[in-house]
Amino acid sequence: IAGITQAPTSQILAAGRRMTLRCTQDMRHNAMYWYRQDLGLGLRLIHYSNTAGTTGKGEVPDGYSVSRANTDDFPLTLASAVPSQTSVYFCASSAVGGSYNEQFFGPGTRLTVL
Amino acid sequence: GQNIDQPTEMTATEGAIVQINCTYQTSGFNGLFWYQQHAGEAPTFLSYNVLDGLEEKGRFSSFLSRSKGYSYLLLKELQMKDSASYLCAVRDSNYQLIWGAGTKLIIKP
Repeated sequence: IAGITQAPTSQILAAGRRMTLRCTQDMRHNAMYWYRQDLGLGLRLIHYSNTAGTTGKGEVPDGYSVSRANTDDFPLTLASAVPSQTSVYFCASSAVGGSYNEQFFGPGTRLTVL
Repeated sequence: GQNIDQPTEMTATEGAIVQINCTYQTSGFNGLFWYQQHAGEAPTFLSYNVLDGLEEKGRFSSFLSRSKGYSYLLLKELQMKDSASYLCAVRDSNYQLIWGAGTKLIIKP
């Protein structure tokens, strides 16, 4: 049972480079999310998807894009990385329509942009 | 704007009880969550409250007062492994989670 996997675990990236963070879940959850977590701040939502084929913007979407071609995968792309995108990125998923619908998190990707 | 407030850091003694408070102001309310996050790891779900009152789950309990915009997480019989950050999050009218910055709990022997 894997739950949610993310790749890579960590990455150092030169500013201006393109980078895709991968996220895969095997729980058949409809909803998926990308967050960034910075010291002293709460988790901030970047983009989300309520079901395959649809995506939406969260609190801090600028500089990021996502796609949701199928239920399991939800990649996050930084088109041209900048140092302010240095952060820990978490992917999460949740069921829809239940009572709690709590979010389950992947292990995170630690990204450093130089 | 939307806001979740919780203390930045708390210290407690092994075997004791600690209460972590969370106050919130959000556009709509569709439940409040508590998550635990050990250093360098992902957040994991602890509890959920949508109605006023106390929810108990083993050594952990969570309380909600919607009229006061207030919740607390109560941890009993503290163990060293409880050293972690505790995150409060509210699901708003858009069914998105608004997160507090977290409370770092330090347990001393």
